[in-house]
Amino acid sequence: DIVLTQSPALAVSLGQRATISCRASESVRSSMHWYQQKSGQQPKLLIYGASNLASGVPARFSGSGSGTDFTFTIDPVEADDIATYYCQQSRNDPDTFGAGTKLELK
Amino acid sequence: QVQLQQSGAELAKPGTSVKLSCKASGYTFTSYYIYWVKQRPGQGLEWIGYIYPGNGGTYYSEKFKGKATFTADTSSSTAYMLLGSLTPEDSAYYFCARPANSGFDYWGQGVMVTVSS
Repeated sequence: DIVLTQSPALAVSLGQRATISCRASESVRSSMHWYQQKSGQQPKLLIYGASNLASGVPARFSGSGSGTDFTFTIDPVEADDIATYYCQQSRNDPDTFGAGTKLELK
Repeated sequence: QVQLQQSGAELAKPGTSVKLSCKASGYTFTSYYIYWVKQRPGQGLEWIGYIYPGNGGTYYSEKFKGKATFTADTSSSTAYMLLGSLTPEDSAYYFCARPANSGFDYWGQGVMVTVSS
């Protein structure tokens, strides 16, 4: 199975940029997606195909990368963005998720 | 609009089974895969597998082979996941989800399964 590695937490200030990385144990081409999950809620798709904004998602969210290294960015961070963010690869079955990065306020 | 409505919380005893449902609406049920995802409280997301209601084809992550069984009822547009031989490690939230392009655009609200004697 493809292993996705994310840093466990990131502390940011409101109005600043937050950058979360996800590294795959082997190439997933552009089959990388990013989700936001708030406590007690289902995940919400923000970015699909590494860099495509999902429907209705604000443009301050973005994604980049291909192969094994991917980046998810929020710029600027708003209070409502405090959540856990997961990457997911769908290059090969089984899909796998990263362990999640908890975005916290400084 | 696309909706996935999951059944209510379950409390089950070790060694028994539970059958979770995911009722789809707002689209052609047989045209999209339904995926299932596990999340233990305070933990990350775990991909279980999928079913394609169009032909009943299924795929299970190795970890969930023998644990989960997917079925789909096209007459009611409902996907099911049977979880068998329950242990406390199966206590978790379970989500159904559906892609639009790639990635899971639509999610059920999740159902909590608690396994306790």
